[in-house]
Amino acid sequence: AQTVTQSQPEMSVQEAETVTLSCTYDTSESDYYLFWYKQPPSRQMILVIRQEAYKQQNATENRFSVNFQKAAKSFSLKISDSQLGDAAMYFCAYVTNFGNEKLTFGTGTRLTIIP
Amino acid sequence: GAVVSQHPSRVICKSGTSVKIECRSLDFQATTMFWYRQFPKQSLMLMATSNEGSKATYEQGVEKDKFLINHASLTLSTLTVTSAHPEDSSFYICSATDWGVNEQFFGPGTRLTVL
Repeated sequence: AQTVTQSQPEMSVQEAETVTLSCTYDTSESDYYLFWYKQPPSRQMILVIRQEAYKQQNATENRFSVNFQKAAKSFSLKISDSQLGDAAMYFCAYVTNFGNEKLTFGTGTRLTIIP
Repeated sequence: GAVVSQHPSRVICKSGTSVKIECRSLDFQATTMFWYRQFPKQSLMLMATSNEGSKATYEQGVEKDKFLINHASLTLSTLTVTSAHPEDSSFYICSATDWGVNEQFFGPGTRLTVL
């Protein structure tokens, strides 16, 4: 069974600084997708970034980028120029590429932005 | 973009009554919808997967007679909590996807409080 591990329950960063959230996963599949979701206090799940496992290039979305290490099964999220609005729970998630399969979520990392 | 709505956003009910939560995909066909439960400061816990026109697949430990799921159309799934009790109080989130999309779109969630 696939598992997703987020080893940092809480992280904090000074506003405008950079922070990296860690995620590791375990799978025997070679083709899959990885996601980072943000859940602010409103509790609406917001997709931050996605990575297809077959792509070697790390995904980027403005201030958000990932470091995808397929062999190490690692998928960290880097947030640059942190802003107060980045404060949220961040969940790493995995899904296989076999159709409408269920997401496997990590336990989450609560990110606090220090003004 | 893909929008998923949930109704109601908040509901308070008395113990022993039933509550229905709706999940709608507003601008796409949702061949599969997922229902999650989230306790405070925890990750999302998948309750069941529903495919349009067929019976839902429940995760281990989820009582299918208590949490009735219906996915009668490509845009609507409902979760009915039958004979609700205080321990059913939680935040319920749905998500929806379509074949080949490999991404889930989340609703804003429903906060259920059972008195």
